[in-house]
Amino acid sequence: DGGITQSPKYLFRKEGQNVTLSCEQNLNHDAMYWYRQDPGQGLRLIYYSQIVNDFQKGDIAEGYSVSREKKESFPLTVTSAQKNPTAFYLCASNSWGQRTEAFFGQGTRLTVV
Amino acid sequence: KNEVEQSPQNLTAQEGEFITINCSYSVGISALHWLQQHPGGGIVSLFMLSSGKKKHGRLIATINIQEKHSSLHITASHPRDSAVYICAVKSGGSNYKLTFGKGTLLTVNP
Repeated sequence: DGGITQSPKYLFRKEGQNVTLSCEQNLNHDAMYWYRQDPGQGLRLIYYSQIVNDFQKGDIAEGYSVSREKKESFPLTVTSAQKNPTAFYLCASNSWGQRTEAFFGQGTRLTVV
Repeated sequence: KNEVEQSPQNLTAQEGEFITINCSYSVGISALHWLQQHPGGGIVSLFMLSSGKKKHGRLIATINIQEKHSSLHITASHPRDSAVYICAVKSGGSNYKLTFGKGTLLTVNP
């Protein structure tokens, strides 16, 4: 079955360390997205990519970096510059065009101690 | 002011009750999503609609473009419907950026 796989589900890191969250999709979707979710807030867009080797900053990109070397993969690195990295991170994807649904991964809960 | 407002924030119901969750938005949109997030965090897309009404099993979603308002209804609610329901809108434009509401936490008691 096609879908989006995020790994790991739970991740713990020490303050000051970079950490990379994985997102893989086998839906042949062109576009992929990373969102952050904090308690009491809606999902906020970190980065998105509409095509391989290209990506754009979302609303809260500071302290994060991404790459899109393959269509199926869009890893997110949470760098030590991110001031408040503990959060729930969701990856999504969809095909190009206005009327296509987005598919979401199961999320990664990152805790920085 | 958030571009997408949901109400209520929290909703508790008894099994079998009819549930309505509302979503109002302030921007012109090309599509609206209703999403379901269970404990553990994974999100499932329930509906995507740009006009009218859609039905899937016990779930019904409606949208009124002129009034910038959408509703999600659950008939004959069940404890397994307990989840966070999120409204998200896509404004016009060439990319596919979604703006999300803060979600409605629904608890259905047996």
